[in-house]
Order: sequence, then structure tokens, then C-alpha cells
Amino acid sequence: GAVVSQHPSRVICKSGTSVKIECRSLDFQATTMFWYRQFPKQSLMLMATSNEGSKATYEQGVEKDKFLINHASLTLSTLTVTSAHPEDSSFYICSARGGNTIYFGEGSWLTVV
Amino acid sequence: QKEVEQDPGPLSVPEGAIVSLNCTYSNSAFQYFMWYRQYSRKGPELLMYTYSSGNKEDGRFTAQVDKSSKYISLFIRDSQPSDSATYLCAMSDGSGNTPLVFGKGTRLSVIA
Repeated sequence: GAVVSQHPSRVICKSGTSVKIECRSLDFQATTMFWYRQFPKQSLMLMATSNEGSKATYEQGVEKDKFLINHASLTLSTLTVTSAHPEDSSFYICSARGGNTIYFGEGSWLTVV
Repeated sequence: QKEVEQDPGPLSVPEGAIVSLNCTYSNSAFQYFMWYRQYSRKGPELLMYTYSSGNKEDGRFTAQVDKSSKYISLFIRDSQPSDSATYLCAMSDGSGNTPLVFGKGTRLSVIA
């Protein structure tokens, strides 16, 4: 079946630095990828929709200058958390559309210290 | 009314029980219905995918969609401790680049 890979699975960074998370569709092309964040025991919160070759569409309340999304190819989207702060610590999950179904990556745990 | 309603639980059942998980929705345009399973600290895993109304069975799992009632269900037969997870329903109208609309998830614990 379709597989979406995320990397890194876990990252710890210092406050003020930037962190990049990669999302790859391994056996299908994804013109659209979605980025979510999830706090413990809470539901998925959509952050942005990433479209290949164009600017991402951000959900209300999500700072586009802080969460930079690049979807440069049909198999890769990246999320960069810029000038990270402890409150950005969360579980970040990407997903990619394969046909009429959406497949999720394994998620990336970000801890900002 | 939220677009998708899902009882958050938690739901606790003994091993071997039949589990019924449900979601209701308000948007009649939804045509694609999915159930995801999410283990703690992991990304959601696609469990079942159905289009329009009807039933779909895969091993111990059965997904049902009743579009007339705007109601979907996931049944788990002979539940196992390994089924303990959060189950998310999700749906889509299938158009363009719209994201899935998720329920909030139901936490299930299967007790040995």
C-alpha cells in the first residue's frame, strides 16, 4: 500500500533555532500534502495544505512566517519551524493524498528546550 | 453543529468483545469515509476506506456507511489488547485538494 515517510521521527532543538521536517510519499506522487500538529491526547489540528509548485494554504491562526512549507516536488514536502520556542514543542504529522485516500506519515516529535 | 461528531470515549471493553465506534456528520456532500487507528505517539494508520453507502469487511473489522442517516460505524470483532488505540473517523467530498474532515477520535482500551 501507499507509504508516507517522515523524517526525523524525533528532534530536540534549542530555543531560537530552526528545524526542518521532511515528508515523502514513497510509492506515489502527491500533488497535495497536509501538515498537522497534535498535542497529547488531543485531536489532529490541520496547519496547512501544501500544493506542489505553489504556495501553501495556511489555516487561520497558523503563522506562515513561522511554519515555512515547501512542496518542491511531487514526492516531497518540508515543514520548517523557524525560531522555535518551547510552545512549538508538539507532534507534527504530514499526510499525502493518494487517489481519494489520505495516508499519514509516522509523525515527528519536536521538543524545543 | 460540528461537521463531524465522534464520541471521544474513553471506551473500555474486555478482550473478545465486539466494539462499535460511530461518527455522525452534517455535510451531505461527503462521499469518502475512512477510519484511522492511531497508537500512542504514532501517526494515524489507515484502517478502512469506503465509498458511499454500504458495508466493507476486512478481517475482524467492518465499516458501515449510512448516508441517508449521515452515520458511519466501525465494528471490531473479537477485540484484542493490541486494538487499544485511538480511532479516528474521517471523511471527504473527494473534491480537489480539500483535506479530510476528522472526528476527534475515540480512545479504546481492550482489557485482557
